[in-house]
Amino acid sequence: DGGITQSPKYLFRKEGQNVTLSCEQNLNHDAMYWYRQDPGQGLRLIYYSQIVNDFQKGDIAEGYSVSREKKESFPLTVTSAQKNPTAFYLCASSIRTGGTGYTFGSGTRLTVV
Amino acid sequence: GQSLEQPSEVTAVEGAIVQINCTYQTSGFYGLSWYQQHDGGAPTFLSYNALDGLEETGRFSSFLSRSDSYGYLLLQELQMKDSASYFCAPRDNYGQNFVFGPGTRLSVLP
Repeated sequence: DGGITQSPKYLFRKEGQNVTLSCEQNLNHDAMYWYRQDPGQGLRLIYYSQIVNDFQKGDIAEGYSVSREKKESFPLTVTSAQKNPTAFYLCASSIRTGGTGYTFGSGTRLTVV
Repeated sequence: GQSLEQPSEVTAVEGAIVQINCTYQTSGFYGLSWYQQHDGGAPTFLSYNALDGLEETGRFSSFLSRSDSYGYLLLQELQMKDSASYFCAPRDNYGQNFVFGPGTRLSVLP
C-alpha cells in the first residue's frame, strides 16, 4: 500500500544536539511538507519542497534544515539553534504543490531532555 | 495577511448533527480543505471545496461561500468515533500551500 512513513515515532534529544527526522513516501508525489504541531495548536509549516533538489522556507523555518535529494525522501534536521524543539512533527505530501489535499505520515514526537 | 477562525470546542450527543464553521482571510484563494485528527494521530483528509456550494461525502458534508470567505463542515448522525479535532485549511495564492486553522475539538457524548 502507498503511504508516508515517518521514523522514529518517538525521539529524545539532549540540549545542543542535532537530530534528523525521516520521511519517506511511495505515492510518487512531487510535493512534500514538514509541519510542527504543539499541544492544542494547529499545524505550522516549517519547510516544503515542490520538486527534487528544491525546497522553500515556511513560516517557522529558523532552527531547521531539510534536503530533497530523492523524490521519495524529505528528511528534517532539528538543529541546536531551535530553542524550543519539543513538539509533534508531521510530514505530508501531495501529488503536486497545493492540489486538493495532503496525505500525512503518522508523525514523530520529539522531546528535549 | 492571513487569518483563520474556527470555534475552539464543540460538544454534541450521539446521533445529532453538528456544524463547524470556518472564516478565513488569505492572500488569494484556491479552495478550502477539511481534515480530521484524533488525539496522537495524523490528520486525515476529509474534503475539498473549490466552488461555492455543498459537497456531500457520506455522513460528512462541506460547504463553501467564496464571496463570504466562509465555509463549514457538517457532521450528521454523530458517532463516538467522530470525537476528534477538525481543521479547516484554505489554499492560498502565495505558495499555493494550505494554511491550517487552530482546529475545533469535537466531543461526542453518549
